[in-house]
Amino acid sequence: GNSVTQMEGPVTLSEEAFLTINCTYTATGYPSLFWYVQYPGEGLQLLLKATKADDKGSNKGFEATYRKETTSFHLEKGSVQVSDSAVYFCALIRSGAGSYQLTFGKGTKLSVIP
Amino acid sequence: DARVTQTPRHKVTEMGQEVTMRCQPILGHNTVFWYRQTMMQGLELLAYFRNRAPLDDSGMPKDRFSAEMPDATLATLKIQPSEPRDSAVYFCASASGTGYSGANVLTFGAGSRLTVL
Repeated sequence: GNSVTQMEGPVTLSEEAFLTINCTYTATGYPSLFWYVQYPGEGLQLLLKATKADDKGSNKGFEATYRKETTSFHLEKGSVQVSDSAVYFCALIRSGAGSYQLTFGKGTKLSVIP
Repeated sequence: DARVTQTPRHKVTEMGQEVTMRCQPILGHNTVFWYRQTMMQGLELLAYFRNRAPLDDSGMPKDRFSAEMPDATLATLKIQPSEPRDSAVYFCASASGTGYSGANVLTFGAGSRLTVL
Protein backbone atom coordinates (compact mmCIF):
# COMPACT_ATOMS: atom_id res chain seq x y z
CA GLY A 1 0.00 0.00 0.00
CA ASN A 2 0.89 3.66 -0.04
CA SER A 3 2.74 5.22 2.85
CA VAL A 4 4.59 8.38 3.76
CA THR A 5 7.38 8.62 6.31
CA GLN A 6 8.45 11.95 7.77
CA MET A 7 11.22 12.81 10.14
CA GLU A 8 9.96 12.91 13.67
CA GLY A 9 9.78 16.21 15.43
CA PRO A 10 9.62 18.45 17.10
CA VAL A 11 12.16 20.54 15.26
CA THR A 12 13.30 23.74 16.95
CA LEU A 13 15.27 26.31 14.98
CA SER A 14 16.43 29.84 15.47
CA GLU A 15 15.09 32.51 13.16
CA GLU A 16 16.94 32.67 9.82
CA ALA A 17 18.20 29.09 10.15
CA PHE A 18 18.03 26.62 7.27
CA LEU A 19 15.19 24.11 7.40
CA THR A 20 15.01 20.58 6.04
CA ILE A 21 12.16 18.21 6.81
CA ASN A 22 12.71 14.80 5.30
CA CYS A 23 9.92 12.88 3.60
CA THR A 24 10.08 9.54 1.84
CA TYR A 25 7.24 7.60 0.33
CA THR A 26 6.15 4.18 -0.85
CA ALA A 27 3.59 4.01 -3.61
CA THR A 28 2.62 2.12 -6.69
CA GLY A 29 2.81 3.92 -9.97
CA TYR A 30 3.59 7.61 -10.09
CA PRO A 31 1.98 9.48 -7.23
CA SER A 32 1.56 13.20 -6.87
CA LEU A 33 3.30 14.62 -3.80
CA PHE A 34 2.27 17.43 -1.49
CA TRP A 35 3.29 19.39 1.54
CA TYR A 36 0.54 20.73 3.76
CA VAL A 37 0.96 23.12 6.68
CA GLN A 38 -1.21 23.34 9.78
CA TYR A 39 -0.99 26.48 11.90
CA PRO A 40 -2.16 26.27 15.52
CA GLY A 41 -5.92 25.92 15.79
CA GLU A 42 -6.46 25.73 12.05
CA GLY A 43 -7.02 23.15 9.35
CA LEU A 44 -4.44 22.02 6.85
CA GLN A 45 -3.46 24.27 3.98
CA LEU A 46 -1.72 23.21 0.81
CA LEU A 47 1.83 24.59 0.83
CA LEU A 48 3.22 23.15 -2.40
CA LYS A 49 2.97 20.18 -4.71
CA ALA A 50 4.73 18.25 -7.47
CA THR A 51 3.05 15.90 -9.88
CA LYS A 52 5.95 14.19 -11.65
CA ALA A 53 9.57 13.23 -11.19
CA ASP A 54 12.06 16.12 -10.99
CA ASP A 55 9.28 18.67 -10.55
CA LYS A 56 10.03 21.29 -7.93
CA GLY A 57 7.17 22.74 -5.93
CA SER A 58 7.70 26.09 -4.28
CA ASN A 59 5.70 28.58 -2.24
CA LYS A 60 6.44 31.21 0.43
CA GLY A 61 10.16 30.45 0.27
CA PHE A 62 9.64 26.72 0.76
CA GLU A 63 10.77 24.22 -1.88
CA ALA A 64 10.59 20.47 -2.41
CA THR A 65 11.79 18.39 -5.35
CA TYR A 66 10.14 15.13 -6.42
CA ARG A 67 12.98 12.58 -6.47
CA LYS A 68 11.78 9.32 -7.94
CA GLU A 69 15.16 7.60 -7.64
CA THR A 70 15.22 8.11 -3.87
CA THR A 71 11.40 8.21 -3.43
CA SER A 72 11.78 11.45 -1.52
CA PHE A 73 10.17 14.88 -1.33
CA HIS A 74 12.15 16.78 1.28
CA LEU A 75 10.92 20.22 2.32
CA GLU A 76 13.48 23.04 2.54
CA LYS A 77 13.58 26.71 3.35
CA GLY A 78 16.67 28.84 3.38
CA SER A 79 15.75 31.19 6.22
CA VAL A 80 12.86 30.39 8.55
CA GLN A 81 10.78 32.95 10.38
CA VAL A 82 8.86 32.77 13.63
CA SER A 83 5.67 32.80 11.56
CA ASP A 84 6.70 29.47 9.98
CA SER A 85 6.06 27.71 13.30
CA ALA A 86 3.49 25.06 12.45
CA VAL A 87 3.05 21.36 11.77
CA TYR A 88 4.09 20.22 8.30
CA PHE A 89 2.60 17.17 6.62
CA CYS A 90 3.95 15.34 3.62
CA ALA A 91 1.28 13.57 1.57
CA LEU A 92 0.72 11.67 -1.62
CA ILE A 93 -2.11 10.75 -3.92
CA ARG A 94 -1.72 7.57 -5.88
CA SER A 95 -1.87 7.87 -9.61
CA GLY A 96 -5.09 7.03 -11.36
CA ALA A 97 -8.15 8.94 -12.34
CA GLY A 98 -10.85 9.40 -9.76
CA SER A 99 -8.56 9.19 -6.78
CA TYR A 100 -8.70 11.83 -4.09
CA GLN A 101 -7.33 9.73 -1.28
CA LEU A 102 -4.46 11.62 0.27
CA THR A 103 -2.09 9.52 2.35
CA PHE A 104 -0.47 11.70 5.00
CA GLY A 105 2.71 11.39 6.99
CA LYS A 106 2.40 11.86 10.74
CA GLY A 107 3.48 15.47 10.64
CA THR A 108 6.56 17.33 11.85
CA LYS A 109 6.15 20.15 14.32
CA LEU A 110 8.42 23.10 13.67
CA SER A 111 9.06 25.76 16.28
CA VAL A 112 11.08 28.81 15.28
CA ILE A 113 12.46 30.92 18.11
CA PRO A 114 13.52 34.55 17.78
CA ASP B 1 -12.20 33.76 0.81
CA ALA B 2 -14.39 30.68 0.41
CA ARG B 3 -14.04 28.36 3.34
CA VAL B 4 -15.21 25.07 4.77
CA THR B 5 -17.22 25.66 7.93
CA GLN B 6 -17.30 23.10 10.72
CA THR B 7 -19.40 23.06 13.85
CA PRO B 8 -18.96 22.72 16.73
CA ARG B 9 -15.35 23.84 17.08
CA HIS B 10 -15.11 22.18 20.46
CA LYS B 11 -17.24 19.51 22.07
CA VAL B 12 -16.88 17.85 25.46
CA THR B 13 -19.22 15.00 26.16
CA GLU B 14 -19.55 11.94 28.32
CA MET B 15 -19.03 8.39 27.20
CA GLY B 16 -22.16 6.92 25.69
CA GLN B 17 -23.57 10.20 24.41
CA GLU B 18 -24.35 10.86 20.78
CA VAL B 19 -22.15 13.38 19.00
CA THR B 20 -22.94 15.04 15.68
CA MET B 21 -20.41 17.13 13.80
CA ARG B 22 -21.44 19.24 10.84
CA CYS B 23 -19.62 20.54 7.83
CA GLN B 24 -20.61 23.07 5.21
CA PRO B 25 -18.41 22.53 2.16
CA ILE B 26 -17.42 25.30 -0.20
CA LEU B 27 -20.28 26.12 -2.53
CA GLY B 28 -19.84 24.20 -5.75
CA HIS B 29 -17.43 21.62 -4.34
CA ASN B 30 -18.76 18.16 -5.08
CA THR B 31 -16.35 16.03 -3.06
CA VAL B 32 -16.34 16.02 0.74
CA PHE B 33 -13.96 14.21 3.10
CA TRP B 34 -13.92 13.44 6.81
CA TYR B 35 -10.52 13.01 8.49
CA ARG B 36 -9.64 12.27 12.09
CA GLN B 37 -6.42 13.55 13.65
CA THR B 38 -4.86 12.09 16.79
CA MET B 39 -1.37 12.25 18.21
CA MET B 40 -0.92 8.51 17.92
CA GLN B 41 -2.37 7.85 14.46
CA GLY B 42 -1.92 11.18 12.74
CA LEU B 43 -4.46 11.96 10.01
CA GLU B 44 -6.81 9.15 9.05
CA LEU B 45 -9.37 9.27 6.27
CA LEU B 46 -12.73 8.19 7.65
CA ALA B 47 -15.01 8.65 4.65
CA TYR B 48 -15.58 10.64 1.52
CA PHE B 49 -18.47 11.56 -0.72
CA ARG B 50 -18.79 12.67 -4.31
CA ASN B 51 -21.98 14.34 -5.46
CA ARG B 52 -23.43 13.38 -2.05
CA ALA B 53 -22.89 9.64 -2.63
CA PRO B 54 -20.53 7.80 -0.26
CA LEU B 55 -17.52 6.52 -2.21
CA ASP B 56 -15.40 5.12 0.57
CA ASP B 57 -16.07 4.77 4.27
CA SER B 58 -13.67 1.93 4.92
CA GLY B 59 -11.73 3.99 7.45
CA MET B 60 -14.76 4.46 9.67
CA PRO B 61 -15.79 2.14 12.53
CA LYS B 62 -19.18 1.09 11.22
CA ASP B 63 -20.68 0.06 14.51
CA ARG B 64 -20.73 3.55 15.97
CA PHE B 65 -19.87 6.04 13.23
CA SER B 66 -22.08 7.20 10.41
CA ALA B 67 -21.56 9.86 7.76
CA GLU B 68 -24.17 11.40 5.52
CA MET B 69 -24.79 14.28 3.15
CA PRO B 70 -28.45 15.26 3.49
CA ASP B 71 -27.89 17.90 0.83
CA ALA B 72 -25.06 19.48 -1.11
CA THR B 73 -24.46 22.12 1.56
CA LEU B 74 -24.26 19.86 4.59
CA ALA B 75 -22.21 16.84 5.60
CA THR B 76 -22.61 15.19 8.99
CA LEU B 77 -20.51 12.78 11.00
CA LYS B 78 -22.27 11.09 13.87
CA ILE B 79 -20.87 8.95 16.67
CA GLN B 80 -23.30 6.91 18.73
CA PRO B 81 -22.40 5.91 21.36
CA SER B 82 -19.22 7.90 21.85
CA GLU B 83 -16.19 6.45 23.64
CA PRO B 84 -13.07 8.07 25.14
CA ARG B 85 -10.95 6.66 22.30
CA ASP B 86 -12.97 8.81 19.88
CA SER B 87 -11.36 11.92 21.36
CA ALA B 88 -9.64 13.62 18.43
CA VAL B 89 -9.88 16.53 16.05
CA TYR B 90 -12.22 15.80 13.16
CA PHE B 91 -11.59 17.65 9.93
CA CYS B 92 -13.87 18.10 6.99
CA ALA B 93 -12.40 18.98 3.60
CA SER B 94 -13.97 19.68 0.25
CA ALA B 95 -12.79 19.75 -3.33
CA SER B 96 -14.12 20.28 -6.83
CA GLY B 97 -13.71 18.26 -9.98
CA THR B 98 -12.71 14.63 -10.27
CA GLY B 99 -9.48 12.80 -9.88
CA TYR B 100 -6.21 13.68 -8.25
CA SER B 101 -5.70 16.77 -10.36
CA GLY B 102 -8.20 18.42 -8.09
CA ALA B 103 -6.08 17.93 -4.99
CA ASN B 104 -4.72 21.42 -5.29
CA VAL B 105 -8.14 22.72 -4.32
CA LEU B 106 -8.67 20.39 -1.37
CA THR B 107 -9.72 22.87 1.31
CA PHE B 108 -9.85 21.90 4.97
CA GLY B 109 -12.10 23.27 7.66
CA ALA B 110 -10.69 24.37 11.01
CA GLY B 111 -11.76 21.13 12.67
CA SER B 112 -14.00 19.99 15.50
CA ARG B 113 -12.11 19.05 18.65
CA LEU B 114 -13.97 16.28 20.44
CA THR B 115 -13.26 15.19 24.00
CA VAL B 116 -15.13 12.19 25.35
CA LEU B 117 -14.83 11.76 29.10
